[in-house]
Amino acid sequence: DTGVSQDPRHKITKRGQNVTFRCDPISEHNRLYWYRQTLGQGPEFLTYFQNEAQLEKSRLLSDRFSAERPKGSFSTLEIQRTEQGDSAMYLCASSLGGAGSRSYEQYFGPGTRLTVT
Amino acid sequence: AQTVTQSQPEMSVQEAETVTLSCTYDTSESNYYLFWYKQPPSRQMILVIRQEAYKQQNATENRFSVNFQKAAKSFSLKISDSQLGDTAMYFCAFMKQSGNTPLVFGKGTRLSVIA
Repeated sequence: DTGVSQDPRHKITKRGQNVTFRCDPISEHNRLYWYRQTLGQGPEFLTYFQNEAQLEKSRLLSDRFSAERPKGSFSTLEIQRTEQGDSAMYLCASSLGGAGSRSYEQYFGPGTRLTVT
Repeated sequence: AQTVTQSQPEMSVQEAETVTLSCTYDTSESNYYLFWYKQPPSRQMILVIRQEAYKQQNATENRFSVNFQKAAKSFSLKISDSQLGDTAMYFCAFMKQSGNTPLVFGKGTRLSVIA
């Protein structure tokens, strides 16, 4: 078990550019979550998947944001036409899913820190 | 909608002492889960302890324990025998028991353990 991994760890981009982040969950986990964390705040939910199905999107996820999990394994989060307000840490988490004991516990990756200049 | 409030932005404790971090929440749900997560500086979020709302017994994990008061909607974390490695941001989080749903986090408490 290698844990949740995210790539890249840091991204600096200019305003107006598009960026894409990748998350690889723990291999047997069927739930995958994206959160955004700004300085001094707790993580805020963006969207989540069960296998390849996107189940819910937060109102924070404007139409410039899109997320996919095409084969129910890794996921990508794309931000188009980045704005300075998009600067944040983007966190990915996964959980086993199902009804078993502790199946709901979420395990987090190290995050991708985005800086928009 | 659920909300989680952590009223202590920063706290400090001497090494080997005990410290309690506060958390209150608001929900109309009767069944749910509560969590404390630890985020060390420049490191990833780690689950410290969890509590199922239907359980009256307070959860304990080694030096970490909670005081869960369901009626008061309070969920505090006690760290005993504090260690330098406990220095981190601590986040209280709520999850509906409908299961495997997004976490709702508080703003966090920055804990510094002083030698």
